[in-house]
Amino acid sequence: SSELTQDPAVSVALGQTVRITCQGDSLRSYYASWYQQKPGQAPVLVIYGKNNRPSGIPDRFSGSSSGNTASLTITGAQAEDEADYYCNSRDSSGNVYVFGGGTKLTVL
Amino acid sequence: QVQLVESGGGVVQPGRSLRLSCAASGFTFSSYAMHWVRQAPGKGLEWVAVISYDGSNKYYADSVKGRFTISRDNSKNTLYLQMNSLRAEDTAVYYCARSTGNYYDSSGYYYDAFDLWGQGTMVTVSS
Repeated sequence: SSELTQDPAVSVALGQTVRITCQGDSLRSYYASWYQQKPGQAPVLVIYGKNNRPSGIPDRFSGSSSGNTASLTITGAQAEDEADYYCNSRDSSGNVYVFGGGTKLTVL
Repeated sequence: QVQLVESGGGVVQPGRSLRLSCAASGFTFSSYAMHWVRQAPGKGLEWVAVISYDGSNKYYADSVKGRFTISRDNSKNTLYLQMNSLRAEDTAVYYCARSTGNYYDSSGYYYDAFDLWGQGTMVTVSS
């Protein structure tokens, strides 16, 4: 099975732009999906596919992909965006799924 | 109201079994593939298993293969996870999640996602 690699922690100043990345071989064939998780809460889908946002997700969240790297960008980060972010994709077999290790985002 | 509600968690001794349930409401359950995802205390998310909309296809993470069984009863709008031979490392919050369905775009990429999650149920494996 393949792995997805994320930076453990990233910080951003309030109102600035931050990019969270996810690397893995399977991302050459499968788009990643991105999940936000705040302490004590269930994860919430924020980006899926090429760059799709579910209803209710602010448009400051966007996604992109190039080669083996997927990125989640928050343009104009807000205090409420402070959370753990996880990427997910299928592995190279296409039958099982894998999560990245997660990135803890701190908004300064 | 569109929601998923897990139940069945608790404290269980190593080697014993437990069955989790996930009750779906507010959407056509029988049209969606469903997943189980878990999160050990203080750790990241780990995908556990998926079942197709009609139950005909099931896939598992290597860490649970041969011990866990995912199933569903579309007449009851309920997803299950039968967990046998439990180990301490199975201690986690278990979430059920709905699949968006599979897509393929013009760039040659496939994609799907988990678009609805339950609140989770805690399973503790300890003697």
